[in-house]
Amino acid sequence: KQEVTQIPAALSVPEGENLVLNCSFTDSAIYNLQWFRQDPGKGLTSLLLIQSSQREQTSGRLNASLDKSSGRSTLYIAASQPGDSATYLCAVRLKAAGNKLTFGGGTRVLVKP
Amino acid sequence: DTGVSQDPRHKITKRGQNVTFRCDPISEHNRLYWYRQTLGQGPEFLTYFQNEAQLEKSRLLSDRFSAERPKGSFSTLEIQRTEQGDSAMYLCASGTGGDGYGYTFGSGTRLTVV
Repeated sequence: KQEVTQIPAALSVPEGENLVLNCSFTDSAIYNLQWFRQDPGKGLTSLLLIQSSQREQTSGRLNASLDKSSGRSTLYIAASQPGDSATYLCAVRLKAAGNKLTFGGGTRVLVKP
Repeated sequence: DTGVSQDPRHKITKRGQNVTFRCDPISEHNRLYWYRQTLGQGPEFLTYFQNEAQLEKSRLLSDRFSAERPKGSFSTLEIQRTEQGDSAMYLCASGTGGDGYGYTFGSGTRLTVV
């Protein structure tokens, strides 16, 4: 059974520091991995999608890497801002599972001004 | 069409009542998914439609839960005889199909059973 783990569960940094969020998964036979942002009481906003054949994706201050063989992905957020405060979720789409996403528990981020 | 729409945004109901939620996916997306998220946890898969066909259901979807997508467009999720344990955020997502596609999620429906 695929397990997705996100460590740490919570993170607090001063404004301007770089954020490093980790995601690990047990089954490397994936189609892709997706990072989402969730504000309190809201739905999910897709940040980055990395295909299984890719090593990284970048969008503005965000960069996500994927090491499929070791079952790890890392989301980097450069020069954090208070507006980056949210919960960040990673999810994998398994080849064996067909169509559904398996999510980690999320990392709750607080960026202090 | 700017995204996936869910209605209502919030629902408070008394235990034992029935509730129904609606999801309108992105129009060109033929795949639609329902997930449930409890506080502090990641979303969990409930069910999946391709066009109007319900192709997969999680064991989390008890007999009190039913989902439909009658014309392959919008979908409804009904919970009968609600219990306090049903309190959660119900999220809908849509996608286009193919190995590499990602998902677009709606804003969710927050259900509180009192």
